[in-house]
Amino acid sequence: DQQVKQNSPSLSVQEGRISILNCDYTNSMFDYFLWYKKYPAEGPTFLISISSIKDKNEDGRFTVFLNKSAKHLSLHIVPSQPGDSAVYFCAGLRNAGNMLTFGGGTRLMVKP
Amino acid sequence: NAGVTQTPKFRVLKTGQSMTLLCAQDMNHEYMYWYRQDPGMGLRLIHYSVGEGTTAKGEVPDGYNVSRLKKQNFLLGLESAAPSQTSVYFCASSITSASEQFFGPGTRLTVL
Repeated sequence: DQQVKQNSPSLSVQEGRISILNCDYTNSMFDYFLWYKKYPAEGPTFLISISSIKDKNEDGRFTVFLNKSAKHLSLHIVPSQPGDSAVYFCAGLRNAGNMLTFGGGTRLMVKP
Repeated sequence: NAGVTQTPKFRVLKTGQSMTLLCAQDMNHEYMYWYRQDPGMGLRLIHYSVGEGTTAKGEVPDGYNVSRLKKQNFLLGLESAAPSQTSVYFCASSITSASEQFFGPGTRLTVL
């Protein structure tokens, strides 16, 4: 049973446009969410996070939105750049937990 | 600062062979983790450690053992490798369970 799901395996966007990556979760005990970005042959790198007490967190071109009632979060990248082409993973952390639960990832391709 | 390093980068094993993957971090982090990444499955936690001398099971611990004899090192062992353990293995470390995890570059393991 996947507690964190990224239903779109891939997404293609034109450079300069908005990229929206979606993530759904089932575990209501998650109280912290993180997004990681992964280039081929490298380890994932942290991108942005959000606490469950917030509904939005912004960092430059990256904004994460959280809808707790729908158990849904999304990552917006505006404007998208070719260097953003990577696999993006969302992850949830339970209250007082030690383990991140990752989604399956979405491959973003930004075309010049 | 090297961050998180992993050795080896690649390895091919025959079924039944054993091996140890080494993870080292120079950030003085308390928490260390071992994940495996399989297509469409995201990253799944194998084992983790909350400090020197401690280890705990993650989501998929069967067939693996770990040791944390020194704070900076976290070893992952496969006693009798199976083809189902063919995967890319990532090590990560963090200051606390809720803080950003820093990942190593990964080890690609193939079990024939």
